Amino acid sequence: GENVEQHPSTLSVQEGDSAVIKCTYSDSASNYFPWYKQELGKRPQLIIDIRSNVGEKKDQRIAVTLNKTAKHFSLHITETQPEDSAVYFCAGYNYGQNFVFGPGTRLSVLP
Amino acid sequence: DVKVTQSSRYLVKRTGEKVFLECVQDMDHENMFWYRQDPGLGLRLIYFSYDVKMKEKGDIPEGYSVSREKKERFSLILESASTNQTSMYLCATLGTGTDTQYFGPGTRLTVL
Repeated sequence: GENVEQHPSTLSVQEGDSAVIKCTYSDSASNYFPWYKQELGKRPQLIIDIRSNVGEKKDQRIAVTLNKTAKHFSLHITETQPEDSAVYFCAGYNYGQNFVFGPGTRLSVLP
Repeated sequence: DVKVTQSSRYLVKRTGEKVFLECVQDMDHENMFWYRQDPGLGLRLIYFSYDVKMKEKGDIPEGYSVSREKKERFSLILESASTNQTSMYLCATLGTGTDTQYFGPGTRLTVL
């Protein structure tokens, strides 16, 4: 079955710097890769996603890149702000299977 | 806008008690899921259901059961709560043919 690894587990950046979180997956049949943001005490919220027929997707300050050959995908946050502080986690999904989640990355943006 | 609600935000129970966690959604989604979330382990799937009265075991079903008598409601049952079931429990929904999961606010369960 699918296995998703995520690095780093914690990440601290200065406000205004960029943050990058990387996930690797094992099942080449996975074709949908969402990223979720979970603020303290709140529910996970989908912030961006990418499908296997696309190499990169961008939405304002966040972007996701996918390398199908290497089976990894990354979340990029530019110009980080204190409100970006949260736990981020990735997932891999193949229609008809179940979502498999990474263990999460705790991002701290220091003012 | 999808709305997924859970019956309690915080719950404290004693070892051996029977515990019910309830999830309700208003978007007519066929698929519903129960996860537990633990630090460093991410979200692990306990059970899921793809239709009324249907249920399938996830990765960690031991010590849990579920019930889905109505499409909008999916219940997680801890028959005899144990301290190692202290965790955050998250419900999620997914429409058939779609790939976006929607999460409930979570229930933080403490078993003493």
